[in-house]
Amino acid sequence: QSVLTQPPSASGTPGQRVTISCSGSSSNIGSNTVSWYQQLPETAPKLLIYSDNQRPSGVPDRFSGSKSGTSASLAISGLQSEDEAEYHCAAWDDSLNGWVFGGGTKLTVL
Amino acid sequence: QVQLQESGPGLVKPSETLSLTCTVSGGSISTYYWSWIRQPPGKGLEWIGYVYYSGRTNYNPSLRSRVSLSLDTSKNQFSLKLNSVTGADTAVYYCAREEALRWFDPWGQGALVTVSS
Repeated sequence: QSVLTQPPSASGTPGQRVTISCSGSSSNIGSNTVSWYQQLPETAPKLLIYSDNQRPSGVPDRFSGSKSGTSASLAISGLQSEDEAEYHCAAWDDSLNGWVFGGGTKLTVL
Repeated sequence: QVQLQESGPGLVKPSETLSLTCTVSGGSISTYYWSWIRQPPGKGLEWIGYVYYSGRTNYNPSLRSRVSLSLDTSKNQFSLKLNSVTGADTAVYYCAREEALRWFDPWGQGALVTVSS
């Protein structure tokens, strides 16, 4: 069971806006920054969002991140078929003195 | 840009030691934190630990008794050893560069390690 809680699945149609949540606690999301990773089928995870809401160079602005208290969210607007992937959230946990991840959310584009 | 590549045996027998190496190209290993992360088939990601360029290490408490990380600056490599493995250690193992406890980027392509007799 993962320390950070994500819904196991999400879906949307092309062009729609989809949001994926990531719930934690005061020792992780509540006191440290959140990062998000996109994992396309049969590939390694790739950094999508860092420091709660920053996009690395090359990541489309359709992807955005936000955080409030002990929860974070990833939003994807203008959904495209190539966005079909698994999405993972992560944060450092001060109590565990280590990294914690969400269980991953599989996004299906209908 | 910096690239990472895992290497090592794809099959390990139960009770033996899993050993993997990550080779860093396009940049020096003598900065940053360097992490190992694994993903069992069909499951989420699990952080194993990091080694800092100074040699300082930090491990996931659930694996601390069985894991050891090290780095070799002369070869621009860092390594993972996990002893007393069982089937539960079967996973894709990724190496990644860690930005000071804030994010992981880039990642290696991953190495599938199966524990089986």
